Amino acid sequence: DAGVIQSPRHEVTEMGQEVTLRCKPISGHDYLFWYRQTMMRGLELLIYFNNNVPIDDSGMPEDRFSAKMPNASFSTLKIQPSEPRDSAVYFCASRGTSGTAEQFFGPGTRLTVL
Amino acid sequence: AQSVTQLGSHVSVSEGALVLLRCNYSSSVPPYLFWYVQYPNQGLQLLLKYTSAATLVKGINGFEAEFKKSETSFHLTKPSAHMSDAAEYFCAVTNGGTSYGKLTFGQGTILTVHP
Repeated sequence: DAGVIQSPRHEVTEMGQEVTLRCKPISGHDYLFWYRQTMMRGLELLIYFNNNVPIDDSGMPEDRFSAKMPNASFSTLKIQPSEPRDSAVYFCASRGTSGTAEQFFGPGTRLTVL
Repeated sequence: AQSVTQLGSHVSVSEGALVLLRCNYSSSVPPYLFWYVQYPNQGLQLLLKYTSAATLVKGINGFEAEFKKSETSFHLTKPSAHMSDAAEYFCAVTNGGTSYGKLTFGQGTILTVHP
C-alpha cells in the first residue's frame, strides 16, 4: 500500500489567496483526520471524518477553513482567504475501524503564506 | 475528557546512554496509548502502542514502554541511544473502541543524541 498521500508537499502563496490541500487516505480506511503543526501550538486536530461525514470540526480555527470528503478516497482542506498565521505543516492521517485506533500519517504539506 | 502531558520538551543524551521520555495521561476510561516518532521534515510514524494487553510494550528500533495504571504513566525507554534516534517523540491517548477515533497528542519531546 502506498500509505497516506498528500499534495502538494510544499505550498507558498500570498496573503489573501485561496489554498487547497489534498489527501488520499489508505484504501479501506474509513476515518480521516486533518492536523496542523506549528512550533507555538504543537500538533492540533482540525477536523475528522468517518465514512466521509465530518464528525468533529471543533478544531477548525475559523470560517476561512473548510474541509470536504466527497468520497472514501479523497479529502480537501481549503483556506480562503489565507493569512500569514496559517503558515504551518498540515498533516492528513487515516485509520480503519477494526484494530486499535492507530492512525497512519501522511508526509504533510508545508504551507507558507507571505 | 482525555489529556497527555510529556515532561520535558527537550531531552539530551549521549550515544549509548539510556533514553527515557516521560508521558503521563488522563482518561476517564481505560485508555489506548501510543508513541509516535517524527523525523525532520517527515510525518509521524508509530513506534509502539498499548491496547490493554501486556503492560510492557515493545516497539520498533529497540524502544519499549510500560503502562502503569497506578501512576497514569506510559514512559518510553531505550537501553542504548543511537545517533539515528534523534527526532521528536509524541505520546498520544484515546479512549479506545473501534468507533472512537480521536487521538489526543502531547506537546512532543525533542531527543538530541550526542556522540
